[in-house]
Amino acid sequence: GESVGLHLPTLSVQEGDNSIINCAYSNSASDYFIWYKQESGKGPQFIIDIRSNMDKRQGQRVTVLLNKTVKHLSLQIAATQPGDSAVYFCAERPDSNYQLIWGAGTKLIIKP
Amino acid sequence: KAGVTQTPRYLIKTRGQQVTLSCSPISGHRSVSWYQQTPGQGLQFLFEYFSETQRNKGNFPGRFSGRQFSNSRSEMNVSTLELGDSALYLCASRPGLAGVMEGYNEQFFGPGTRLTVL
Repeated sequence: GESVGLHLPTLSVQEGDNSIINCAYSNSASDYFIWYKQESGKGPQFIIDIRSNMDKRQGQRVTVLLNKTVKHLSLQIAATQPGDSAVYFCAERPDSNYQLIWGAGTKLIIKP
Repeated sequence: KAGVTQTPRYLIKTRGQQVTLSCSPISGHRSVSWYQQTPGQGLQFLFEYFSETQRNKGNFPGRFSGRQFSNSRSEMNVSTLELGDSALYLCASRPGLAGVMEGYNEQFFGPGTRLTVL
């Protein structure tokens, strides 16, 4: 399959444990944030999004936390499963331009 | 519904050549965006087409161009290939253009075309 990056930050997590993937964004005026997941050989797939007027949003097994004070975004995955192995990207939308700015990605590895 | 399809999946070219990549969006989707993905730079936005018109453009040289057909299928072309153009080129489709207040969760990506320039 495709390898999306050979020098990505990597997070190794035991199967069943919770995973926390962190992202620092650059623009304090960004009004919208999104997390995508990219599995080997596939294009990115939407996970969850959050607007700047919120600090937390929950989905199925995932939670996104937004700390605008320190420009930090995190994705929490509960009870990590083998199928969660992927590269995770955060992206921000600067207020003045609705095109997304993507982070470099974090590779999540699940240990059996 | 069938997903976004991209052809070819893999391509090897030499410096100086030109290449054309194809993207077929999800049926009913009228917006197609192109991205370049490299290990060092992550995902970089190339351009977005809607109704056969380029609506947005990223910071890429003029060697990168695209077009969209009346059936919403899109092609991108890279002329005078350079070694640094080696990347995964991703196409994404969505029903329409996202307004300022709308989100991006409706954007669907294809599997990409892996271009290697030798």
